[in-house]
Amino acid sequence: GAGVSQSPSNKVTEKGKDVELRCDPISGHTALYWYRQSLGQGLEFLIYFQGNSAPDKSGLPSDRFSAERTGGSVSTLTIQRTQQEDSAVYLCASSRTSDSYEQYFGPGTRLTVT
Amino acid sequence: AQKITQTQPGMFVQEKEAVTLDCTYDTSDPSYGLFWYKQPSSGEMIFLIYQGSYDQQNATEGRYSLNFQKARKSANLVISASQLGDSAMYFCAMREGREGAQKLVFGQGTRLTINP
Repeated sequence: GAGVSQSPSNKVTEKGKDVELRCDPISGHTALYWYRQSLGQGLEFLIYFQGNSAPDKSGLPSDRFSAERTGGSVSTLTIQRTQQEDSAVYLCASSRTSDSYEQYFGPGTRLTVT
Repeated sequence: AQKITQTQPGMFVQEKEAVTLDCTYDTSDPSYGLFWYKQPSSGEMIFLIYQGSYDQQNATEGRYSLNFQKARKSANLVISASQLGDSAMYFCAMREGREGAQKLVFGQGTRLTINP
């Protein structure tokens, strides 16, 4: 079966523009996570969705960041008024349930803000 | 305070040798899980091994084993008989709290290079 997919794979945007990053989790996986990886750094948790529960947004760095998950499947991470410090690889992961400890990661979207 | 500490930014090992990647963690929660992920140059994160805080035995998965020392709060990854394909970044991560809260906290990573 298909793994987690993300689009676009690369995105270059000008400072101040809004961007949308898409994540398509593995079919049937109810839990979905967004992480950010800055150059040479570990992953930083951003947001977590589990089924129809309210998302855990505790990792979002500012109110310019938001995410939604429609129909319990595809998720979109939106960054408004992008800043240069937003440049990073944004990784999405999914797991079968919130109790499943193995998270399957997508290939990431490399965002560059110029 | 750093929750996950990986003190080795880089490691160089000869092929076929065993290698230990260090990881220490900090938590006051009695229930937690520890993970190791591999990130090759392609960028994808590959799950390697998991250790639960209540697990009595050290986790093993093929050539990977996790040396879990609870009192010392360490969870080192041991790779036996290293191969050239093991060259990658390796991240230690922790999940705190109840089973349903799967947010992971990652360390800074160790870049492992296997020399032929």
